[in-house]
Amino acid sequence: DAKTTQPTSMDCAEGRAANLPCNHSTISGNEYVYWYRQIHSQGPQYIIHGLKNNETNEMASLIITEDRKSSTLILPHATLRDTAVYYCIVRVANNAGNMLTFGGGTRLMVKP
Amino acid sequence: NAGVTQTPKFRILKIGQSMTLQCTQDMNHNYMYWYRQDPGMGLKLIYYSVGAGITDKGEVPNGYNVSRSTTEDFPLRLELAAPSQTSVYFCASSYRNSPLHFGNGTRLTVT
Repeated sequence: DAKTTQPTSMDCAEGRAANLPCNHSTISGNEYVYWYRQIHSQGPQYIIHGLKNNETNEMASLIITEDRKSSTLILPHATLRDTAVYYCIVRVANNAGNMLTFGGGTRLMVKP
Repeated sequence: NAGVTQTPKFRILKIGQSMTLQCTQDMNHNYMYWYRQDPGMGLKLIYYSVGAGITDKGEVPNGYNVSRSTTEDFPLRLELAAPSQTSVYFCASSYRNSPLHFGNGTRLTVT
């Protein structure tokens, strides 16, 4: 699986957009980009995933560059409840299961 | 629909004791996983299963055993607890290649 690089921590003002970057320069053509978050030692929560097109759901948007070597997770209007560790993972979706490998992630602090 | 349920929530073990961490899911997912998370670190895969009767090792399987006799249950067994196994253990499940659903974890301390 391709390795990902994320900033260790980021701050964001409440109500503003939070843009979380992720580099995955060795990503293969059949690897998806997944984002999860973990709020205060709870189990990780799935946010969004994509292959090469930008994706949006009720929680966030995922922007993947054309060369697929990096992506950005966007929380459009961050709230205090979005304070969490955000994990960017790249993985082939195959029949052996989504054996996702979690790195250190980005600790996002949303401030009033 | 309870999702993924883990028991117990907390446990303290003495060195050399054994225990089983329970995990059950009610979503009829075929894939199930066990991860551990050490303080301030990411998650590491211990074991996974792609269906009843099938299990395989992940990144850090030493000191653990699993079984998968039913679709719903995926218990994790620690036979001889060691301080290095102090961690938070998360169970997860998924349907084929869909995103993973996680339980809320079991916090284990070995002293």
